[in-house]
Amino acid sequence: DTEVTQTPKHLVMGMTNKKSLKCEQHMGHRAMYWYKQKAKKPPELMFVYSYEKLSINESVPSRFSPECPNSSLLNLHLHALQPEDSALYLCASSPTGAEAFFGQGTRLTVV
Amino acid sequence: EDQVTQSPEALRLQEGESSSLNCSYTVSGLRGLFWYRQDPGKGPEFLFTLYSAGEEKEKERLKATLTKKESFLHITAPKPEDSATYLCAVHSYSGGGADGLTFGKGTHLIIQP
Repeated sequence: DTEVTQTPKHLVMGMTNKKSLKCEQHMGHRAMYWYKQKAKKPPELMFVYSYEKLSINESVPSRFSPECPNSSLLNLHLHALQPEDSALYLCASSPTGAEAFFGQGTRLTVV
Repeated sequence: EDQVTQSPEALRLQEGESSSLNCSYTVSGLRGLFWYRQDPGKGPEFLFTLYSAGEEKEKERLKATLTKKESFLHITAPKPEDSATYLCAVHSYSGGGADGLTFGKGTHLIIQP
């Protein structure tokens, strides 16, 4: 089983809203990731959690705030986003910190 | 800084027409090279991991190979359902820990019936 589950699948939010994206995996993987993917572009790394601790933050704006409540869950809290933040947000997990298994993503639209 | 370049950007084949996709990379120390398939609006689907030059992996009509500078994804007798964007990614030694992947821009493959 290599399933990573993301909710919601689609999200529309205004620039003054606060929302959260959720990600769950029950494979016992030690690393979890958030990636952002714009249309016709490759995924770009945003955050890496290893053993529930934030190990890499790729200079992402503070309007994106990650949280890892436990080894199975990963959240991405969104606040005061801009229209250019509209994208597919992908969660992934890895057993070794190398190969990553992705969820189906949350399609975010900021209006 | 790690760099991954994929070619061609787009490829249109007839059903049954075999071809190869290229991924060239420049990294400080390769820990692994990965191939993914991505359908529109979906997350990337893991296909292969390659760790060292000379290594090969196969899955159905796909075969991935690795040299010290590049990787190839060979597609034999493709079918329309093989149409997708194929992404190459690398994981390198850049300080240890759970680093993320660096992706190429992908090859958009269309298989016509």
